[in-house]
Amino acid sequence: DAGITQSPRHKVTETGTPVTLRCHQTENHRYMYWYRQDPGHGLRLIHYSYGVKDTDKGEVSDGYSVSRSKTEDFLLTLESATSSQTSVYFCAISGNRGGPNTGELFFGEGSRLTVL
Amino acid sequence: DAKTTQPNSMESNEEEPVHLPCNHSTISGTDYIHWYRQLPSQGPEYVIHGLTSNVNNRMASLAIAEDRKSSTLILHRATLRDAAVYYCILRDSGGGATNKLIFGTGTLLAVQP
Repeated sequence: DAGITQSPRHKVTETGTPVTLRCHQTENHRYMYWYRQDPGHGLRLIHYSYGVKDTDKGEVSDGYSVSRSKTEDFLLTLESATSSQTSVYFCAISGNRGGPNTGELFFGEGSRLTVL
Repeated sequence: DAKTTQPNSMESNEEEPVHLPCNHSTISGTDYIHWYRQLPSQGPEYVIHGLTSNVNNRMASLAIAEDRKSSTLILHRATLRDAAVYYCILRDSGGGATNKLIFGTGTLLAVQP
């Protein structure tokens, strides 16, 4: 299994509080992604990173920010959480350092966030 | 990003073959066809991908139409463990590609014993 860990795995918070989810990889992959999954919507891309300090917006980036200060960590921050951000968040990684890039994504186990 | 269309749900019997269709009529020449599946309470996992030719691996086969406007994921002998949501996704491999995948809602496969 690809070395991806998400933390925390479960979190309950209140509306208006800041929340940071962490994705940590041990694969030295170049690309990292944050998705959210909600019933009826499948997975939607929030933000992604194509290198240290290089990030871009996905489909549903409003209300979220990201940072990638080192290859192994990609942080997703909700500056002021709202109930609409209650969801399951998945981190994914892709790309092999120095090798062929098949484009295969490896996903973490997910972080379940509940905003009351 | 080019879109894909899949049936919302399908049913199969255990140990029988399953053919999961996907339409992608607006596919471009640099788009790879990827399939992922998501088991209950887990993150998605890679199944297979291809560009023009049919592909086989230990999990499944991918049959790609000659005009590339449709493809079919084939599970040769479905097991109960294959019950999952299957996503067909197009990935742009052109210049500056970042491997980002845009998921649809997929096909929910139910496998009956």
